[in-house]
Amino acid sequence: EIVLTQSPGTLSLSPGERGTLSCRASQSLSSNSLAWYQQKPGQAPRLLIYGASSRATGIPDRFSGSGSGTDFTLTISRLEPEDSAVYYCQQYGRSFTFGGGTKVEIK
Amino acid sequence: EVQLVESGGGLVQPGRSLRLSCAASGFSIDYYVMHWVRQAPGKGLEWVSGISWNSITITYADSVKGRFTISRDNAKNSLYLQMNNLRVEDTAFYYCAKGWGSGYYYYFDYWGQGSLVTVSS
Repeated sequence: EIVLTQSPGTLSLSPGERGTLSCRASQSLSSNSLAWYQQKPGQAPRLLIYGASSRATGIPDRFSGSGSGTDFTLTISRLEPEDSAVYYCQQYGRSFTFGGGTKVEIK
Repeated sequence: EVQLVESGGGLVQPGRSLRLSCAASGFSIDYYVMHWVRQAPGKGLEWVSGISWNSITITYADSVKGRFTISRDNAKNSLYLQMNNLRVEDTAFYYCAKGWGSGYYYYFDYWGQGSLVTVSS
């Protein structure tokens, strides 16, 4: 099973700051088969990024994904209050697994 | 508009069974892989099971293998999860999710709002 480790556990930043979230895989992911989801309290997860770096439909361009192999990053370039949420990475190259999540708090 | 609506959750005793349903609208599930994902209260996401468009490929997480059965009825545009021999640790919100394409290993582009299953005596 491919294990995904996300860091940090919690990120506390001010509006307008840049947020950098990390996701590390225990094995190299084929075809960059990594996605990022955003989940706000009481809501279902929402797809943000697929294929490590492609934005899903309707996702603002302040969200960007990068990385390959075992190391991936989600960057939120200019944090807004509505970005407060938990962010999960997921690999879908070999079965399906999720990381433990990073909670983003807006000060 | 794509919508996925889960139903069938509730309170059940350990060892008993429950069947979840997911009704899709705004698209035809005929062409897509469908999944169940669960989330224990206050915890992270755990993939549970997936089923290909033609029900030929079906996979399960080790934690539910042998106890849960996924199925679909394309004519009714619906997905199901039969959960037997339920355990306290199966307590979670269960989400229905649509795979992006007809290929099995893709990301999930739409999710339902979830159905809460509570296993307790």
